[in-house]
Amino acid sequence: QSVLTQPPAASGTPGQRVTISCSGGTSNIGSRTVSWYQQLPGTAPKLLIYSTNRRPSGVPDRISGSKSGTSASLAISGLQSEDEADYYCAAWDDSLHAYVFGAGTKVTVL
Amino acid sequence: QITLKESGPTLMKPTQTLTLTCTFSEFSLRTTGVGVGWIRQPPGKALEWLAIIYWDDDESYNPSLKSRLTITKDTSKNQVVLTMTNMGPVDTATYYCAHRPRDHSFFAFDIWGQGTMVTVSS
Repeated sequence: QSVLTQPPAASGTPGQRVTISCSGGTSNIGSRTVSWYQQLPGTAPKLLIYSTNRRPSGVPDRISGSKSGTSASLAISGLQSEDEADYYCAAWDDSLHAYVFGAGTKVTVL
Repeated sequence: QITLKESGPTLMKPTQTLTLTCTFSEFSLRTTGVGVGWIRQPPGKALEWLAIIYWDDDESYNPSLKSRLTITKDTSKNQVVLTMTNMGPVDTATYYCAHRPRDHSFFAFDIWGQGTMVTVSS
């Protein structure tokens, strides 16, 4: 069972906004920055968000991250077919002394 | 641009020791703050962080696997090696190595290798 809790699935139609939640605790999200990764089928994960709300070069600004307390969120606006992928949140956990991932959320574009 | 590539066996028998090599380019593990980590993903399952090594030889391991893991680096060859002892079928997974940037205000892996699939079966 993952330390960080994500919904297993999320979906939306093209153009819609989809939000993925990531629930943790005080030893991880509550005190550390959050990162988000996108994994397209059959490929390696790609960093989408780091430092909770910063985008690496090349990630469009319709992708955004936020955090409140011990929960974080990833929002994808203007949903596109190429956004169909698995999304993972992650954070360092000070109690476990480990980098922990959520179980992943599969986003489907209807 | 930064690249990383994993190499190692594709098929192993239970109880054997796995040795994986990550060969990287366009960055140096002599650069202050830089790290290289290993993450694995069993088929159809989530990502699991395994270990990381830094420019200053500092190492960190997933506590649940620490007794089985060793991570080392060869700076002159631009390589990081991960060994995992006593492999079993549950260790069947794709193993990735990844680059951690030198900015330690956050923890993330910004560049990943393509991954290498390791199957453990008798």
